[in-house]
Amino acid sequence: QQQVKQSPQSLIVQKGGISIINCAYENTAFDYFPWYQQFPGKGPALLIAIRPDVSEKKEGRFTISFNKSAKQFSLHIMDSQPGDSATYFCAAAIQGAQKLVFGQGTRLTINP
Amino acid sequence: EPEVTQTPSHQVTQMGQEVILRCVPISNHLYFYWYRQILGQKVEFLVSFYNNEISEKSEIFDDQFSVERPDGSNFTLKIRSTKLEDSAMYFCASSSDRYNQPQHFGDGTRLSIL
Repeated sequence: QQQVKQSPQSLIVQKGGISIINCAYENTAFDYFPWYQQFPGKGPALLIAIRPDVSEKKEGRFTISFNKSAKQFSLHIMDSQPGDSATYFCAAAIQGAQKLVFGQGTRLTINP
Repeated sequence: EPEVTQTPSHQVTQMGQEVILRCVPISNHLYFYWYRQILGQKVEFLVSFYNNEISEKSEIFDDQFSVERPDGSNFTLKIRSTKLEDSAMYFCASSSDRYNQPQHFGDGTRLSIL
């Protein structure tokens, strides 16, 4: 119940294309859903986050879509660039608790 | 931009030895965390710390693990008697707010147990 399932494990997208990574959860108590970006040798860096009171949040080329009834959320990267090549993790947390529960990660490669 | 710093970047230790991983959280943050990432796997929560005590811990965080904030700037993770399966990247994170997150992560310490 505490799991967050992420897909795909790896993704290759052409430069300028749209990258889409999906996550699903079971625990309806989760109410905070961040996405982290991790480059090799670095720690996870917060990219964008959403709470379930909105269905979409956009920051620049990055958009989170949230479907509360389906218990799914996804990250869309528009106009994907080679510099976006990294591992992306979705995560979830329960308000009042402090731990982030991470998905398995998606290794994204943007081909020039 | 303020950042979480971790030392050392790589620690090699013999099995059974004690190891201390060090972190300097962002200066005005009040909540501190340790996570670990075994090679190729997801990031896993170990422990959270607030007001000089553990506020939450996972089942991974057994009696072999302890955390401490020895002074106003450092936050440490101690593993008393290391096992081979403790080999992983250990990330420290901090946040200013329990409810509004976000947690800011350091670049990690790679712990290799021989």
